[in-house]
Amino acid sequence: DQQVKQNSPSLSVQEGRISILNCDYTNSMFDYFLWYKKYPAEGPTFLISISSIKDKNEDGRFTVFLNKSAKHLSLHIVPSQPGDSAVYFCAAPDRGSTLGRLYFGRGTQLTVWP
Amino acid sequence: EPEVTQTPSHQVTQMGQEVILRCVPISNHLYFYWYRQILGQKVEFLVSFYNNEISEKSEIFDDQFSVERPDGSNFTLKIRSTKLEDSAMYFCASILEGGLGEAFFGQGTRLTVV
Repeated sequence: DQQVKQNSPSLSVQEGRISILNCDYTNSMFDYFLWYKKYPAEGPTFLISISSIKDKNEDGRFTVFLNKSAKHLSLHIVPSQPGDSAVYFCAAPDRGSTLGRLYFGRGTQLTVWP
Repeated sequence: EPEVTQTPSHQVTQMGQEVILRCVPISNHLYFYWYRQILGQKVEFLVSFYNNEISEKSEIFDDQFSVERPDGSNFTLKIRSTKLEDSAMYFCASILEGGLGEAFFGQGTRLTVV
């Protein structure tokens, strides 16, 4: 089941530029979305989230945009830094499940080069 | 900062052997999860656990899998008779509020079945 999709397996961006990571979902019942960042040999780390009552949430250099009609969200990182190089996962909890199991996309490997 | 810890970081086992993966969730969290990621694939939900019982399990979590919270701190995943296809990164996660807050993940255990 591909309820959350990240169609770009990789993205390469120069330091200082904007990184835009995209995510699509198919389940219209999803009303909350999270982005996780994962470095090699580490577990996913929560980065930022957005509720469906909003269309934008900002936290420092990270902004997530949600377009409910298109079932699309994006994560913007501005300015990008080499330390942002990691795999980014989009995820959504299933409100229909008792404890909100998360559905993950396949992830996008972001590489920020100097 | 509180964190979820997992041991061991890497486990190699022979096919058919039993393995136990261990996790210490964040102390005041109430909801616990196991996820896994087969190399090159997405992170997949295995099981959720609350109040000393399984809340939900995925189709992956068959009779070969079991979870336990033997004391107030540890949360374990047991695979009774490992198969080659069980080779994956296994992540433990915990949440303060089920389905509402972001999940905190451990660094993972890489299980290699030979």
